[in-house]
Amino acid sequence: DAGITQSPRHKVTETGTPVTLRCHQTENHRYMYWYRQDPGHGLRLIHYSYGVKDTDKGEVSDGYSVSRSKTEDFLLTLESATSSQTSVYFCAIRVSGGASEQFFGPGTRLTVL
Amino acid sequence: KNEVEQSPQNLTAQEGEFITINCSYSVGISALHWLQQHPGGGIVSLFMLSSGKKKHGRLIATINIQEKHSSLHITASHPRDSAVYICAVPTGVQGAQKLVFGQGTRLTINP
Repeated sequence: DAGITQSPRHKVTETGTPVTLRCHQTENHRYMYWYRQDPGHGLRLIHYSYGVKDTDKGEVSDGYSVSRSKTEDFLLTLESATSSQTSVYFCAIRVSGGASEQFFGPGTRLTVL
Repeated sequence: KNEVEQSPQNLTAQEGEFITINCSYSVGISALHWLQQHPGGGIVSLFMLSSGKKKHGRLIATINIQEKHSSLHITASHPRDSAVYICAVPTGVQGAQKLVFGQGTRLTINP
């Protein structure tokens, strides 16, 4: 257990509403990631962070923004949710220094109606 | 062409059988990851390897860097091994380690 929690775990929302997902870690790891997982596409990187206020885009970043004001929290925001953003979202952390494993949070299931 | 290809996509076997899942990739890498995801469950890191072989219990992972190929083996398979197995390779800048994932192999072990 790498001390990663995600909230909420489940959310149903309507098209056009803003949504924020939170990833929280307890071990002060530098790198944090947001992925989405969809049937037929597998896991894909949305955004990642390499430190407080340091973030960069991943493969499928359109329609998403992120913020990291504290080491322990990495927020993913959908400014105006669309049905195509219905997915399971996973947060992950990585211990710094060279090649190392990523440890995943429990996931958030988001449904946009 | 996907950067990471897994085969087979689905695999059904009987309890006790020896299982092999394959992963091929097209980019140069520093290490390859194997992950496990149980139905409705979270994602667990099984192995990260950059050369040779690693073993953890009944699971064995091998990698051939020159051939850009890795295999995950399960010996004496058990119904609790039923899960999706995913391989992933890092791309981009070394520090960022942005992972690209295979589509996953859905393994079902029948008692």
